[in-house]
Amino acid sequence: LAKTTQPISMDSYEGQEVNITCSHNNIATNDYITWYQQFPSQGPRFIIQGYKTKVTNEVASLFIPADRKSSTLSLPRVSLSDTAVYYCLVGNLNDYKLSFGAGTTVTVRA
Amino acid sequence: NAGVMQNPRHLVRRRGQEARLRCSPMKGHSHVYWYRQLPEEGLKFMVYLQKENIIDESGMPKERFSAEFPKEGPSILRIQQVVRGDSAAYFCASSRGDRGKYGYTFGSGTRLTVV
Repeated sequence: LAKTTQPISMDSYEGQEVNITCSHNNIATNDYITWYQQFPSQGPRFIIQGYKTKVTNEVASLFIPADRKSSTLSLPRVSLSDTAVYYCLVGNLNDYKLSFGAGTTVTVRA
Repeated sequence: NAGVMQNPRHLVRRRGQEARLRCSPMKGHSHVYWYRQLPEEGLKFMVYLQKENIIDESGMPKERFSAEFPKEGPSILRIQQVVRGDSAAYFCASSRGDRGKYGYTFGSGTRLTVV
């Protein structure tokens, strides 16, 4: 699995947009980028997955530049309930040994 | 439409006792994965099972740990003779046959405390 690097923590305020960038310089041709969210005392929850360009769902957007060496998870208009740890994972769709690093702890304040 | 069900949510065991953690996969999912999360760390893969088969147990300690997914009933992660270092959150995930295409669904975990 490709190694990823993401910030340890980010602070934001309610209503703001939060962008978390993940670096994955060694991403392979068959690799996808997947983001999970984990609340305290809960298991990770799948947020979004993409291969290239832009993917958007009801929760977030994922921006992937042409070289695919990084990606940015965008959380629009965050609320207090978006306070969580966000994990960036890179691997092909058959990789079941998911590699969760330390993630990015996002803290949303009122 | 229940998700992945894990029980118990919290489990306290004395050193030397056995711990049994149960996981019922999401309806329609036939693949089960167990992960362990130590305090302040990310999740680490332990074992991958399908019904009555262990597909990959490369992440599981060779001693004291075992896992099964019987034809009927939940998947069981068993830890014999627990030690303090086994204290962690244990998460189970499940998927359909096409695995990562739709992401993995995780349960809420079992928090094991060894005293």
